Amino acid sequence: QSALTQPASVSGSPGQSITISCTGTSSDVGGDNYVSWYQQHPGKAPKLMIYDVNKRPSGVSHRFSGSKSANTASLTISGLQAEDEADYYCSSYTSSSILYVFGTGTQVTVL
Amino acid sequence: QVQLVQSGAEVKKPGASVKVSCKASGYTLTGYYIHWVRQAPGQGFEWMGRINPDNGGTNYAQQFQGRVTMARDTSIRTAYMELSRLRSADTAVYYCAREGRYSFTDRVAHMFDSWGQGTLLTVST
Repeated sequence: QSALTQPASVSGSPGQSITISCTGTSSDVGGDNYVSWYQQHPGKAPKLMIYDVNKRPSGVSHRFSGSKSANTASLTISGLQAEDEADYYCSSYTSSSILYVFGTGTQVTVL
Repeated sequence: QVQLVQSGAEVKKPGASVKVSCKASGYTLTGYYIHWVRQAPGQGFEWMGRINPDNGGTNYAQQFQGRVTMARDTSIRTAYMELSRLRSADTAVYYCAREGRYSFTDRVAHMFDSWGQGTLLTVST
């Protein structure tokens, strides 16, 4: 099971919207709607931002949204803020014995 | 509030074993799977396996089969991950994470809603 593919970096100015893609296969991202997204600030533990492709846990800003088309999932951050600068990782439940696979990670920079 | 607190950093020599603990508070340990995920320096995450704290059942990623053992002690609300025959490539931060459940149905939701703070393992001569 290979890692899911994400762009290495994405940047945007404050107030703008950015989108991070996460590409997998029909065995993971395309298989079920069990894609989640995590935010990780340097030296910190990950934080759940989106689950089941597009659901937000309680306490996560409405500026974060998720979607999926075929084998590619996406995370959109609207109204970009300085505090959004972090690494973002997608993850998917899989149909293999490796139950979960993660993305390669995307560094978000707020210009 | 839900909290997972892990044991401290470890330095081990190649060939040795390490045991990392993960103490749960704010919820019932036996109600949720605990997963172990690692992150090598500057890298992404790698899923290692999970344990069902209710019955001790485990699932391990194939690349760790034979080297990893996950266990729990429900009396002290703690899960453990032991990795043996360590090599330099095992140098990483190791996280425990709770697999969430849906509020209304109580079914397993395939995501990690709470994470430990991480335990840095350094394998070096």
